[in-house]
Amino acid sequence: QKEVEQDPGPLSVPEGAIVSLNCTYSNSAFQYFMWYRQYSRKGPELLMYTYSSGNKEDGRFTAQVDKSSKYISLFIRDSQPSDSATYLCAMRIQGAQKLVFGQGTRLTINP
Amino acid sequence: NAGVTQTPKFQVLKTGQSMTLQCAQDMNHEYMSWYRQDPGMGLRLIHYSVGAGITDQGEVPNGYNVSRSTTEDFPLRLLSAAPSQTSVYFCASSYSKGSRGSGNTIYFGEGSWLTVV
Repeated sequence: QKEVEQDPGPLSVPEGAIVSLNCTYSNSAFQYFMWYRQYSRKGPELLMYTYSSGNKEDGRFTAQVDKSSKYISLFIRDSQPSDSATYLCAMRIQGAQKLVFGQGTRLTINP
Repeated sequence: NAGVTQTPKFQVLKTGQSMTLQCAQDMNHEYMSWYRQDPGMGLRLIHYSVGAGITDQGEVPNGYNVSRSTTEDFPLRLLSAAPSQTSVYFCASSYSKGSRGSGNTIYFGEGSWLTVV
């Protein structure tokens, strides 16, 4: 069993829809949770990060962490075609820089 | 400010050949790492370094070698290329301090597409 599980999709939704992306994990020591966005043939770029449990909002993006369920989510409101990309969840333990990634979910927003 | 620069962008190797993927960062980051990305596997850590002269193995180190003689550079060497090493390789860097609110941003390069035939 992988340490971090993420549905690879692909996921296709119409423009303006609310998108929900999720990851589950097995290591209870993870404290930092991140979402990366990766456009085709580009490197991943950090979209959001959350420390421990709770919600964090940044514009149209909301990240949620539920440590009791070992479950994290990224919500995208009013989705745009420019949001079409692969979204990777990643996490790490306190004091370490090594990231453990999910497989990534390929998202397409249709105009 | 170039960030993380990787070269080459694309490379085709024959089985058994050796090569070096170059990575350089200009942000004075202490932590640097190499990942490979394969379909359905996400990014997997190959090797990492917490500072000049210090390297360690990640999840999939076999067949790869690294060194860190300067803060800026972290080359990845393929000793004897195999078809299983066909992948996209990403170099990344960040500050080494992992405390809350700092050091969480890991910057990735644009990637190096490697095909071994």
